Amino acid sequence: AQSVSQHNHHVILSEAASLELGCNYSYGGTVNLFWYVQYPGQHLQLLLKYFSGDPLVKGIKGFEAEFIKSKFSFNLRKPSVQWSDTAEYFCAVNLHGSSNTGKLIFGQGTTLQVKP
Amino acid sequence: KAGVTQTPRYLIKTRGQQVTLSCSPISGHRSVSWYQQTPGQGLQFLFEYFSETQRNKGNFPGRFSGRQFSNSRSEMNVSTLELGDSALYLCASSWGLAGRSSYEQYFGPGTRLTVT
Repeated sequence: AQSVSQHNHHVILSEAASLELGCNYSYGGTVNLFWYVQYPGQHLQLLLKYFSGDPLVKGIKGFEAEFIKSKFSFNLRKPSVQWSDTAEYFCAVNLHGSSNTGKLIFGQGTTLQVKP
Repeated sequence: KAGVTQTPRYLIKTRGQQVTLSCSPISGHRSVSWYQQTPGQGLQFLFEYFSETQRNKGNFPGRFSGRQFSNSRSEMNVSTLELGDSALYLCASSWGLAGRSSYEQYFGPGTRLTVT
């Protein structure tokens, strides 16, 4: 079955440190890829998405992600984190099939704690 | 534009009862997807509706059902509640067709269901 794996379940960083969260998926076909963030007490919101073209995509709040097709990966990065980045981060995949439905397959999530 | 709204926000039910959750998508959005979020299983896809038709269904028992109305509002129903149904139920709406670069799911705040 198709799945999404996020390597880090809990990450603790100091402010200004660089961030990289890993995401791998298992599906050999065409995919669309997303990173969502859930701040404490808030609902899921989209950070960035990849559909086609340039594999390096930029999102909101200084986040970016790189799609490496050969590695089935879509890692999230930020050069310098802030205390306000403390949140849970989810990688999600939408598989292309005959129906192209909107089913998202989510990873387990990574809790990021940024210490001031 | 108002976001995705879900009612009620919190619900406590007894095992064996049934429950109906409601979701109002963003105005103009025709697709509604439902997800279950639990600490153990993470975010899991329940089903997706588009123009009142169920387009995709996740791997959940038949006790979980849903429907969509002509105004795109959606409801999901869980019959014969079990303790394991305790979860945050998220609704997401989208405008375009999955697979296109404009595609994005916008999430509501969720309904927290507790089964005792």
